[in-house]
Order: sequence, then C-alpha cells, then structure tokens
Amino acid sequence: GENVEQHPSTLSVQEGDSAVIKCTYSDSASNYFPWYKQELGKRPQLIIDIRSNVGEKKDQRIAVTLNKTAKHFSLHITETQPEDSAVYFCAAPRGGTASKLTFGTGTRLQVTL
Amino acid sequence: DTGVSQDPRHKITKRGQNVTFRCDPISEHNRLYWYRQTLGQGPEFLTYFQNEAQLEKSRLLSDRFSAERPKGSFSTLEIQRTEQGDSAMYLCASGTTANTGELFFGEGSRLTVL
Repeated sequence: GENVEQHPSTLSVQEGDSAVIKCTYSDSASNYFPWYKQELGKRPQLIIDIRSNVGEKKDQRIAVTLNKTAKHFSLHITETQPEDSAVYFCAAPRGGTASKLTFGTGTRLQVTL
Repeated sequence: DTGVSQDPRHKITKRGQNVTFRCDPISEHNRLYWYRQTLGQGPEFLTYFQNEAQLEKSRLLSDRFSAERPKGSFSTLEIQRTEQGDSAMYLCASGTTANTGELFFGEGSRLTVL
C-alpha cells in the first residue's frame, strides 16, 4: 500500500511571505498527486494536482513540484494571504490508480498579519 | 446546491447503538468513497463503489462497518455496536472514472459515541 508522509505539521508565515509544504510517498507506481485544502469545519477541496509526466504545475499563487526519482512532491504558495490559512493535505494513489487516495497527516498553515 | 450531501451532519449516540449515515453524490458521478477523519489527521480510506459495486474495503475496517450503494446513486454507511473509538468525521466523496481523479467531498457526518 501507499505510505504518504507530510511535513511540517504546522507552519506560520507572515502575510506576503511564501509557504512550502513537502510530502513523500512510497509507491513508485503512483502517478497522480493532488493537494487538498480544508478550512476549519469545512470539507476538503482540491486546489491543485500534478501527474507524473510533468515536473511542475502552477496556478496563480500556487504551484506544485514533483520529483519522481526521490518520490517527493511539494506545494508552494507565494504572496500568502490570511485566507490561505487552513489545513493542507497531500495525497497519493494507493495501488497506483487515481481512484484510491492515501492522504498525508496535514499541515496547518497560519498566515499572520 | 448540486454538490455531495451527507446526512445527518451530527450524530451523538451511546456505545453499543447502531448508526447509519447517508451520502448523496454528485448525480453524474459513478464513483463514491467513504473516508474517516479524526482530529489532526488526514482522511483515511474506508471503502469505495463504482456504480453499485463495492470494489474495495479497507483491511482496517471492522466487520461492524457495512456500506451499500444499492442503485448506484446514494450510499449508506452503517456502524453496528458503536464504540467510543468510532467517534470521528465520516466523509463521503464522489468522482468519475473519466475525470482527473479529483474527489468532491461532502461536509461530513460527525459521530460522537458516548
């Protein structure tokens, strides 16, 4: 099965600074890596994902990088804003298929004014 | 709202009682998933359906847990003889075999076992 490790568990940054969250995975067959954002008391929502045929993907202030050799991927948030404060989860497929995800333990991001 | 809906949102029960949660996925989604989330943890996979077929059940899942999706639309998750360790948020998500793999989560059903 897939094992996903995520760090740090908490991250505090000042507004405008960048935040980086890192994840490692164990299954070399994994080919899909999403990131979910969960605000307090809300449902997890997909914010960005990447497939194994690319090394980086950007969407405005959010980017994800993937290193398949090292089996790790990272979420980068630039110019952080207070509304970025939430828990972020990385995930990787179990058994190599996108249909069954194993989630990391989450990173609580706090953006301070 | 045409997203994933779950009912009830909150359930408090006494140890030993049975509880049932319902999930209504996005109508055109053929895959439906149940996850469990405890405080400070990521969602933990429980089981998933493709149409009405239950394709996988987590090995960590006790036989007190059962899920159904009889007509390939809504799903129920039943927990029999609840234990305090069952207290958690039960999240339902839906998706399709045709999409990118994105899961659309419901707001969850929070279970508290006293």
